[in-house]
Amino acid sequence: NAGVTQTPKFQVLKTGQSMTLQCAQDMNHEYMSWYRQDPGMGLRLIHYSVGAGITDQGEVPNGYNVSRSTTEDFPLRLLSAAPSQTSVYFCASSYGRWNTEAFFGQGTRLTVV
Amino acid sequence: KNEVEQSPQNLTAQEGEFITINCSYSVGISALHWLQQHPGGGIVSLFMLSSGKKKHGRLIATINIQEKHSSLHITASHPRDSAVYICAVRSGETSGSRLTFGEGTQLTVNP
Repeated sequence: NAGVTQTPKFQVLKTGQSMTLQCAQDMNHEYMSWYRQDPGMGLRLIHYSVGAGITDQGEVPNGYNVSRSTTEDFPLRLLSAAPSQTSVYFCASSYGRWNTEAFFGQGTRLTVV
Repeated sequence: KNEVEQSPQNLTAQEGEFITINCSYSVGISALHWLQQHPGGGIVSLFMLSSGKKKHGRLIATINIQEKHSSLHITASHPRDSAVYICAVRSGETSGSRLTFGEGTQLTVNP
């Protein structure tokens, strides 16, 4: 049982490049979300999904796209990377939206130069 | 003012000491989570609670809904407990029932 798998673990991009951060879970969780973690701030929600085919914006969605074609996968796309997107990104999943445990991936450290 | 405030921001202890990390929040919540993050590592869920107290090994988490306050206690601390401890609340008042996170408490336990 792998839990939540995020790839890559590290990535360096040049300004303007695009890339996709992958997130997959094998626990049949309906709720998946992407967060970014910046120094001196708590994790902030980028986008979330309550099930296949359903996504919505979080607190800091600008510059990011998501899709949820299957229950298992929830990729995060950076359309045109900017230095302000340098951060550590975490994918998380939970069985439901409310009182259920959250499972996190190992994180992706992204640097945009 | 952040919706979730943790204290202290940094904590250094000697092995064996009893440790308390505090979390206060300002919104109505459906659940509160305590998470652990090791350097360079991912985030692991320690507890999820909506009332009372939970215990797992040397870790104890309590919550007082009326006072909007939670504490994480570590008994007989050990250097392997060194990590960032994060409090997060799930609120039904915000869209998507998102988790709102505190900034974390950096704990260092010296041998």
